Amino acid sequence: ETGVTQSPTHLIKTRGQQVTLRCSSQSGHNTVSWYQQALGQGPQFIFQYYREEENGRGNFPPRFSGLQFPNYSSELNVNALELDDSALYLCASSGGTGGAYSYGYTFGSGTRLTVV
Amino acid sequence: GDSVTQMEGPVTLSEEAFLTINCTYTATGYPSLFWYVQYPGEGLQLLLKATKADDKGSNKGFEATYRKETTSFHLEKGSVQVSDSAVYFCALTASGGSYIPTFGRGTSLIVHP
Repeated sequence: ETGVTQSPTHLIKTRGQQVTLRCSSQSGHNTVSWYQQALGQGPQFIFQYYREEENGRGNFPPRFSGLQFPNYSSELNVNALELDDSALYLCASSGGTGGAYSYGYTFGSGTRLTVV
Repeated sequence: GDSVTQMEGPVTLSEEAFLTINCTYTATGYPSLFWYVQYPGEGLQLLLKATKADDKGSNKGFEATYRKETTSFHLEKGSVQVSDSAVYFCALTASGGSYIPTFGRGTSLIVHP
């Protein structure tokens, strides 16, 4: 089975720009969540999608938005980039809420975003 | 709200030493508990899990027991290797709602030859 793949792996953007990060979930998984991980910190939950609907959101401003597609792949969009948005962005998938509870999440390797 | 507290790192050990990384949690209901490992430059990998009290999760020589009475899920390994050097995250997924996991801040483990 394929794992979670994220693209691009690295990205450099200028403050004020917009960015789109992409994630392909593991085969058979219908739930995708996104995390921001600053250097030396644990992952901070951004939001989660279950069958194309957002079903949870962390403490992030509205300029962080997302989509989940019918094939359960997902995008994270960040508008008006700020320097503090520089971080590793992780995507994780699970086989539904029950899967998340019983089996945990499968993570991608992340996208390293640098805002200059 | 739900929370996970891990011991501060870095933890520095010699090869073949015994490892303990402490993790305690606060949650309503009956959470599932997880340990994830992150190697440099990579995403998180699920290391082990336990879904109910007194369950023991184990993988690659690592173990952790779900202790409801002490709300703990400490990670242990009898003999660490240099290749175990990584950051370890304790996490919980609470029952009910949207099952969004809560992570600890991570504990860095450095193993010297």
